[in-house]
Amino acid sequence: TQLLEQSPQFLSIQEGENLTVYCNSSSVFSSLQWYRQEPGEGPVLLVTVVTGGEVKKLKRLTFQFGDARKDSSLHITAAQPGDTGLYLCAGGSAGGTSYGKLTFGQGTILTVHP
Amino acid sequence: GAGVSQSPRYKVAKRGQDVALRCDPISGHVSLFWYQQALGQGPEFLTYFQNEAQLDKSGLPSDRFFAERPEGSVSTLKIQRTQQEDSAVYLCASSQTGNSGNTIYFGEGSWLTVV
Repeated sequence: TQLLEQSPQFLSIQEGENLTVYCNSSSVFSSLQWYRQEPGEGPVLLVTVVTGGEVKKLKRLTFQFGDARKDSSLHITAAQPGDTGLYLCAGGSAGGTSYGKLTFGQGTILTVHP
Repeated sequence: GAGVSQSPRYKVAKRGQDVALRCDPISGHVSLFWYQQALGQGPEFLTYFQNEAQLDKSGLPSDRFFAERPEGSVSTLKIQRTQQEDSAVYLCASSQTGNSGNTIYFGEGSWLTVV
């Protein structure tokens, strides 16, 4: 069974601070995705990383996939109240019958105070 | 519509009642997925369809859960004889093809409460 451990589970910070969320596993994934979920909504994809060591930037968000494709991190610079939400990492399997069978972490609830 | 549409958004069922949750994927999307999300947890995979074929149902928790997509578009997740532990948000998602790298789009979910 593939598991993804996400940490921290809760994060409460002031506007302007930086933060990092970690996603770790003992399993290798073909891809690692990060989602953001607002209350009452479904998860929305932020980024997909597929290559070991890959780094992707999305404005103030930086995503990294570990060299061994077992772990990932999300770093937010100068957090804003609009960043508040539930952040989820999800490991993807290769195609065929395993496609779309994402393994999600338990999520990180981020609160950014003005 | 432009996104994945799910109905009902909210359902309260008495224990032992059968429920049916509907998913309208994005038009033309080949792949459709159902996930279950308990309060405070990440979603957990239930089942996967490619067109009308159910390719993976390994995540369905018991034989009380049944999913179908008879014409390769709309899908229904049916839960028979609901129990309190079935209370969760049921998320439907779709993607354009069955290839890795395609974005998976989630609906807003159907919130099921079993009392």
